[in-house]
Amino acid sequence: NAGVTQTPKFQVLKTGQSMTLQCAQDMNHNSMYWYRQDPGMGLRLIYYSASEGTTDKGEVPNGYNVSRLNKREFSLRLESAAPSQTSVYFCATGQGLGYTFGSGTRLTVV
Amino acid sequence: RKEVEQDPGPFNVPEGATVAFNCTYSNSASQSFFWYRQDCRKEPKLLMSVYSSGNEDGRFTAQLNRASQYISLLIRDSKLSDSATYLCVVNAGNNRKLIWGLGTSLAVNP
Repeated sequence: NAGVTQTPKFQVLKTGQSMTLQCAQDMNHNSMYWYRQDPGMGLRLIYYSASEGTTDKGEVPNGYNVSRLNKREFSLRLESAAPSQTSVYFCATGQGLGYTFGSGTRLTVV
Repeated sequence: RKEVEQDPGPFNVPEGATVAFNCTYSNSASQSFFWYRQDCRKEPKLLMSVYSSGNEDGRFTAQLNRASQYISLLIRDSKLSDSATYLCVVNAGNNRKLIWGLGTSLAVNP
């Protein structure tokens, strides 16, 4: 089925650890996005990629890096996790007529 | 003023009721408007785009008022399954990035 696949679904990290969140889409869209969602803050854009080979910062890029590996895959890396990065992370793809989201990664940093 | 503002609710309505949500936006250059639905602990899903002439999809009607810079969502004959958070989303002018409201919570009661 067409859509966006995110892994992992849940993760607990210790402060200072690193990890990569994976995202893949089979909708043949050029644009892909990483968001985080926190209570009372809504969805905030971390990074986006308008096309393969390009990435740009969103509202809250500090502490994160991204890689647009190919048209399908867009990964988000936390190099040194901090408790402030405890959140739900969503990958999305789409343009124009709205976005399709992955099911999210619930990350807790202790 | 926030770029996109919504009444957080919660709106508690009985089954069969009609309920309406409004959302205001600050950027008069905004060009694309959407309503998303988000169930608890799930990803946002596109409910409907909002067109200048207004549009309807079954029990759902969306309207755009550019002069007053707001969009609305009307739900008729509410079902228990309509209980969710409804997110107002606006394309912020020339770029492709979307600005997300914090959402309006709806609870439909038996």
